[in-house]
Amino acid sequence: GESVGLHLPTLSVQEGDNSIINCAYSNSASDYFIWYKQESGKGPQFIIDIRSNMDKRQGQRVTVLLNKTVKHLSLQIAATQPGDSAVYFCAENIAGGSQGNLIFGKGTKLSVKP
Amino acid sequence: DGGITQSPKYLFRKEGQNVTLSCEQNLNHDAMYWYRQDPGQGLRLIYYSQIVNDFQKGDIAEGYSVSREKKESFPLTVTSAQKNPTAFYLCATLQGSGKLFFGSGTQLSVL
Repeated sequence: GESVGLHLPTLSVQEGDNSIINCAYSNSASDYFIWYKQESGKGPQFIIDIRSNMDKRQGQRVTVLLNKTVKHLSLQIAATQPGDSAVYFCAENIAGGSQGNLIFGKGTKLSVKP
Repeated sequence: DGGITQSPKYLFRKEGQNVTLSCEQNLNHDAMYWYRQDPGQGLRLIYYSQIVNDFQKGDIAEGYSVSREKKESFPLTVTSAQKNPTAFYLCATLQGSGKLFFGSGTQLSVL
């Protein structure tokens, strides 16, 4: 079946560097994508979202890029800080599916070295 | 966690026992969801409810039951039929168009 997946399960970066977390999706019918951050023992927190009619969206220190041609999603974190250490999930919502029924990737663990 | 309260934080289940996880929200959101998270895995949908007195099975509903008698509450019961219940359980509400807002989770373990 079609699913959301991540290229790298772990990512280690130096404090102050930029981080890039990647996500591949295979369902061409997906029209909405979300990135979540999850700290240990806590629930996921919304970071940023993007709809399929956009290629890029920016937030505070974060940017999401969507490449529909190759079905690829990425999250860029600028000037990574120790507080950014967490697991990051991408999720997709399939057009025509029930609203809120997201399909989640397995996550990438981001570790920030001081 | 901003309007969604899950309790307890930690729960232990004996073999053959049913246990109920609580999820309460004061966000006035119509739709509520239960997800299961296993270590190193993504979230899997157990049950969801889009309106009071109505709910639908998700991808892994077997061994679980829910009720939605009030808009604010969506309790999840892990029954004895669920043979592998150890996991982190997350309740969520639908905030905006497709965006889920999560509670802080309940860690369920088997004694």
